[in-house]
Amino acid sequence: LAKTTQPISMDSYEGQEVNITCSHNNIATNDYITWYQQFPSQGPRFIIQGYKTKVTNEVASLFIPADRKSSTLSLPRVSLSDTAVYYCLVGDRMDSNYQLIWGAGTKLIIKP
Amino acid sequence: EPEVTQTPSHQVTQMGQEVILRCVPISNHLYFYWYRQILGQKVEFLVSFYNNEISEKSEIFDDQFSVERPDGSNFTLKIRSTKLEDSAMYFCASWDWDTGNNEQFFGPGTRLTVL
Repeated sequence: LAKTTQPISMDSYEGQEVNITCSHNNIATNDYITWYQQFPSQGPRFIIQGYKTKVTNEVASLFIPADRKSSTLSLPRVSLSDTAVYYCLVGDRMDSNYQLIWGAGTKLIIKP
Repeated sequence: EPEVTQTPSHQVTQMGQEVILRCVPISNHLYFYWYRQILGQKVEFLVSFYNNEISEKSEIFDDQFSVERPDGSNFTLKIRSTKLEDSAMYFCASWDWDTGNNEQFFGPGTRLTVL
C-alpha cells in the first residue's frame, strides 16, 4: 500500500482558494487517489477521488499530474467551516482487501 | 441520504471489562470496516469484513478483538478485556464495491473511555 506525505498544517483566509498537495511516490498502477475531510469528533467524510488528470465536483477539484506521484486538492473560496483535517489516501479498489491507510493528514485552519 | 449509524455515541467502561460497539452499515453495502482514532492521532485501520468473514486485519486487531454480523444489519466490534490504551474513537465504515468509486461511508463514531 502506497504511503502518502502531506503538510502537517496550513492556514488560509475566508474567500481564498486553498491547495493542499500530497505526494505518493510509490503509487501503483491500479491505485486511486481519494481525499477525505474530518471535523473534530466526527467520522471522516469523502470529498473526491481521481485516477489521473483533473476531477471536479461541487466541493473541490483534484489535480493529478501524468506521473501520478502527487495530487493537489483545491478548495475554492474557503469559509470558516472548511477548517478541518484533510487526508489524502491511495488504494486499489479492485483489491478485495481494499482498505484505507491513513496518514496524519493536513490540518487546515481558515481565518476570518 | 443513507448513512452509517453507530451506538453508543460514548461508552465508559472499567479496565478488563468487555464492550460491544455496534454499527448499522448502509443497507446495500457489502464491505464493512472498523477504524480507531486515538485522541489527536491519525485514523488507524483495524479490520475489514466481507461475506461474513474477516478480509484483512491490522496488527492492532489482536485476540482481544472480534467482529460479527449477527443479524444481517448490525456489524459489531467486541473488545474482550479492555485496556487503558483502548480508549479512542471507533469508527465503522461501509463500502459498495459496485458504485465504482472508493467512497467509504463512515459513521459518527463511538468514543470509548477505559478507566
